[in-house]
Amino acid sequence: EIVMTQSPATLSVSPGERATLSCRASQSVSSNLAWYQQRPGQAPRLLIYGASTRATGIPARFSGSGSGTEFTLTISSLQSEDFAVYYCHQYNDWPGTLTFGGGTKVEI
Amino acid sequence: QVQLQESGPGLVKPSETLSLTCSVSAFSISSGYYWGWIRQPPGKGLEWIGSIYHSGSTNYNPSLKSRVTISVDTFKNHFSLMLTSVTAADTAVYYCARLERQVPYWGQGTLVTVSS
Repeated sequence: EIVMTQSPATLSVSPGERATLSCRASQSVSSNLAWYQQRPGQAPRLLIYGASTRATGIPARFSGSGSGTEFTLTISSLQSEDFAVYYCHQYNDWPGTLTFGGGTKVEI
Repeated sequence: QVQLQESGPGLVKPSETLSLTCSVSAFSISSGYYWGWIRQPPGKGLEWIGSIYHSGSTNYNPSLKSRVTISVDTFKNHFSLMLTSVTAADTAVYYCARLERQVPYWGQGTLVTVSS
């Protein structure tokens, strides 16, 4: 089973600052990686898929990069609505086993 | 735009079977895609439970495989989850979703508590 590890667990930033979130896979997942945002009490929302493609309606301040085992989600200038938990998700074994990272909480 | 809605008991007794249904609207399940269940224990991360294709082909999380059954009813345009022999560790918000490798469409989630 591919294990996804996210760091840091919590990221404290100020509005307008840049946030960089990391996700590491225990083995290569190529570019088969997605990122989600989850606000309290809500379902996750797809932000990025294919490691770097923004989903429909996602603002340009969100960007993804990486391939293989190392991935990054960057939020270029944090807005108040961006304070949330972010999860990475690998689907390299699709349609087989899917796994999520443990999440990074972005807080003020 | 496709919409998904979970339904089922919010409270299940230990050792019993958890059963949930996901009703899909604005899209016909028989048209394609995989459909699945993902859960989230309170205050914790996301765990994929399993997926089903419209034809009925399934994939399950190895850690839950012995207790999980996912089925699809294309006539009623819904799919279902059964999880047997539940314990307190199965307490979670259960989401149904449409899977396209990534997961663009999610239900709102339903909290299922396992308690006597």
